[in-house]
Amino acid sequence: QSVLTQPPSVSAAPGQTVTISCSGSSSNIGINYVSWYQQLPGTAPKLLIYDNNKRPSGIPDRFSGSKSGTSVTLGITGLQTGDEADYYCGTWDNSLSAEVFGGGTKLTVL
Amino acid sequence: QVQLQESGPGLVKPSQTLSLTCTVSGGPMYSGTYYWNWIRQPAGKGLEWIGRAYISGSTNYNPSLKSRVTISVDTSKNQFSLKLSSVTAADTAVYYCARGYPSYYGAGSYSFYFEDWGQGTLVTVSS
Repeated sequence: QSVLTQPPSVSAAPGQTVTISCSGSSSNIGINYVSWYQQLPGTAPKLLIYDNNKRPSGIPDRFSGSKSGTSVTLGITGLQTGDEADYYCGTWDNSLSAEVFGGGTKLTVL
Repeated sequence: QVQLQESGPGLVKPSQTLSLTCTVSGGPMYSGTYYWNWIRQPAGKGLEWIGRAYISGSTNYNPSLKSRVTISVDTSKNQFSLKLSSVTAADTAVYYCARGYPSYYGAGSYSFYFEDWGQGTLVTVSS
């Protein structure tokens, strides 16, 4: 059971927009900044979003992040088949003194 | 850009100690304010943070693994290592090393994210 809660799967057609939610509590998302990671099949995770809504160099602006209270959302616009991957949210938990992740969401581009 | 590469035995017997090394290239480990992390992922499951170490020697560990984990840094070799003792089949996973960037924004608010990852190495615990 993950500390952060994500939907197991989401799907959408190419070109459409999808959102992935991640919910936590006051000891993690509620007070700290969240990052998102994309894990393509058979590869290591890759940083997609940090500090809730910032994109590292090289990440297209089709990817965005937002935060409200104890939840965050990853948005992906203009879906491409190459976006099919598992997506994880992560943040520091002040009560556990540990980094925690969501269980991951599998994105299928139909 | 920094690159990380895990190395170590792919098979460990139950009750023994798992030992992995992460070699950092593309820049000295003492450059910048980074934490050096280990993260694992059992087959078909999600990510689990194991712990982190700073070049000063300070460490933080996942409470669920704390009694069995040691992470250390060797800046002279540009490497950091993981030791996990008393392993069982539940420790079978792909193990990743990752460079983490920390920030503190005051009032107990932290940012900590993993900028760079190794490719991962599969460790199987079996007799």
